[in-house]
Amino acid sequence: SAVISQKPSRDICQRGTSLTIQCQVDSQVTMMFWYRQQPGQSLTLIATANQGSEATYESGFVIDKFPISRPNLTFSTLTVSNMSPEDSSIYLCSVGGRGETQYFGPGTRLLVL
Amino acid sequence: KQEVTQIPAALSVPEGENLVLNCSFTDSAIYNLQWFRQDPGKGLTSLLLIQSSQREQTSGRLNASLDKSSGRSTLYIAASQPGDSATYLCALADTGRRALTFGSGTRLQVQP
Repeated sequence: SAVISQKPSRDICQRGTSLTIQCQVDSQVTMMFWYRQQPGQSLTLIATANQGSEATYESGFVIDKFPISRPNLTFSTLTVSNMSPEDSSIYLCSVGGRGETQYFGPGTRLLVL
Repeated sequence: KQEVTQIPAALSVPEGENLVLNCSFTDSAIYNLQWFRQDPGKGLTSLLLIQSSQREQTSGRLNASLDKSSGRSTLYIAASQPGDSATYLCALADTGRRALTFGSGTRLQVQP
């Protein structure tokens, strides 16, 4: 199984600011995914991040709002830009492991005031 | 577009009961189906993975089945325990990509 860490684990931010979330995996992986879980909701895919190429965003999510970097096979960042209270969510990264089981990081809990 | 529905949304049972959680999906062209549990304030823990060619998977007291033709999966929990209290999520990967589409979850409470 893959061990995934995220930083920060939680943050409280002011509207209009940006926050960068880091995701670190203990092994090299091709595909990394970023999900959002809004309060009381299930998980929604934001984008798929492959090393060496532009991230692929899902409908409703745009690069200007959620820029993603994938500099190597063990690391990725997601930035939440120009935040508003509606961005208050848990942000999770995940990777596909052996047999295609997906493993998730512990999440970053974001509150925007 | 794949849609995933989980019933019931919430369930409360006394300890020791056997229970079934249901997951239905609209597009049978799936790559695999995965069941997760999510504890309050924590991330997701993978419970069982069923490949599209499989009918069921078992791990301890958990058994998950998959019927692609009817667009259904069930998670069976035997002899439930208070430690099983969590939200259970069903998620599918479509053929051709590995990202998951999640159901809304079943919030389970097992009373001691």
